Amino acid sequence: EDKVVQSPLSLVVHEGDTVTLNCSYEVTNFRSLLWYKQEKKAPTFLFMLTSSGIEKKSGRLSSILDKKELFSILNITATQTGDSAVYLCAVRPYGGATNKLIFGTGTLLAVQP
Amino acid sequence: DVKVTQSSRYLVKRTGEKVFLECVQDMDHENMFWYRQDPGLGLRLIYFSYDVKMKEKGDIPEGYSVSREKKERFSLILESASTNQTSMYLCASSGEGTYNEQFFGPGTRLTVL
Repeated sequence: EDKVVQSPLSLVVHEGDTVTLNCSYEVTNFRSLLWYKQEKKAPTFLFMLTSSGIEKKSGRLSSILDKKELFSILNITATQTGDSAVYLCAVRPYGGATNKLIFGTGTLLAVQP
Repeated sequence: DVKVTQSSRYLVKRTGEKVFLECVQDMDHENMFWYRQDPGLGLRLIYFSYDVKMKEKGDIPEGYSVSREKKERFSLILESASTNQTSMYLCASSGEGTYNEQFFGPGTRLTVL
């Protein structure tokens, strides 16, 4: 059975810290991996990763994929209170329904002032 | 900007009632999805649709049905609501291409008493 596992489940840090969120997967026919940020509303898209070793970057956030070891990490540097959210990882397999995603349970990040 | 809207942010219903959750997207997307989100379980796919009048079961379709009569609108129906259907319901849509991300609505928090 396909599955996506995120760790840690929750994390509390102070402003200015750097955090690393993990996402491992066991998915048949992997196509891409996506990261979303969810505050008290709709998840918003952060990154889509398809190739190993190529870092995607947006401001203080970056992410990379390792297709050999079947995991991805999301890094946030110089954290701010506005980074507090649930971070969701999802994997899209080939085959089956168009654009169907398999989600992990998420990592709850709390950034304290 | 892509916009996905859901008919209600909060809904309280009684056991046995028929419940309709509506989702509308304004980007002419082919694919639409209904998820429920529960603590510790992440997002789980209930149903999805890849075209008008077309639907497929997701991972947890029991107790739910869907309707897609128009491209922009995808409805989730709880035929006879039960307390174990108390949850956050998220609607999403995506375009047809291989590397299109899903865009999410703000969610409906449903409580069944």
